[in-house]
Amino acid sequence: ELKVEQNPLFLSMQEGKNYTIYCNYSTTSDRLYWYRQDPGKSLESLFVLLSNGAVKQEGRLMASLDTKARLSTLHITAAVHDLSATYFCAVVYNTDKLIFGTGTRLQVFP
Amino acid sequence: DAMVIQNPRYQVTQFGKPVTLSCSQTLNHNVMYWYQQKSSQAPKLLFHYYDKDFNNEADTPDNFQSRRPNTSFCFLDIRSPGLGDAAMYLCATSRDRMGLISEQFFGPGTRLTVL
Repeated sequence: ELKVEQNPLFLSMQEGKNYTIYCNYSTTSDRLYWYRQDPGKSLESLFVLLSNGAVKQEGRLMASLDTKARLSTLHITAAVHDLSATYFCAVVYNTDKLIFGTGTRLQVFP
Repeated sequence: DAMVIQNPRYQVTQFGKPVTLSCSQTLNHNVMYWYQQKSSQAPKLLFHYYDKDFNNEADTPDNFQSRRPNTSFCFLDIRSPGLGDAAMYLCATSRDRMGLISEQFFGPGTRLTVL
């Protein structure tokens, strides 16, 4: 069974700082997704990473995928309060389902 | 706009009283999924339909059932809700199986409270 782990589980960071969230998964998969979830809301798709070495950027967020290391990173540059949310990575398993990571709750303070 | 719609957005039921949650989509996608998300946890897949083909996760309790009468609609039935079934229920769709470069689109969710 595929296991997907994120760290840290909770991240409190000051505005303007940089940080990286890590997503490790246990078996082979070449597709990985990042989602954002605000409290009480549904999931918002951020990035779809489809191949080894894929890198995507949107605003202050940049995601990358290393399928050989079974690792994806979500890098936050110069954090702002609006980025406060929970971030999930999710990996495709058996071609027909997503397995979600444990989630990282990000809190950005002034 | 094409989208995934869930009704109701908030549902309160009594312990043991059957409840049905609804999901509809205007995307004409082949696959529909139901996830359960408890507080501070990741979404957990309950089951999915690939067209009319039903796929149940091994650890989904028998208390949870699903129906897909047509391409657009999918229902989640909880036959005898317990306190532990209180959660956000998320419906998602994808054009095809996930291995075929297909992305899941999530509905707004239904928050279920069990009294």
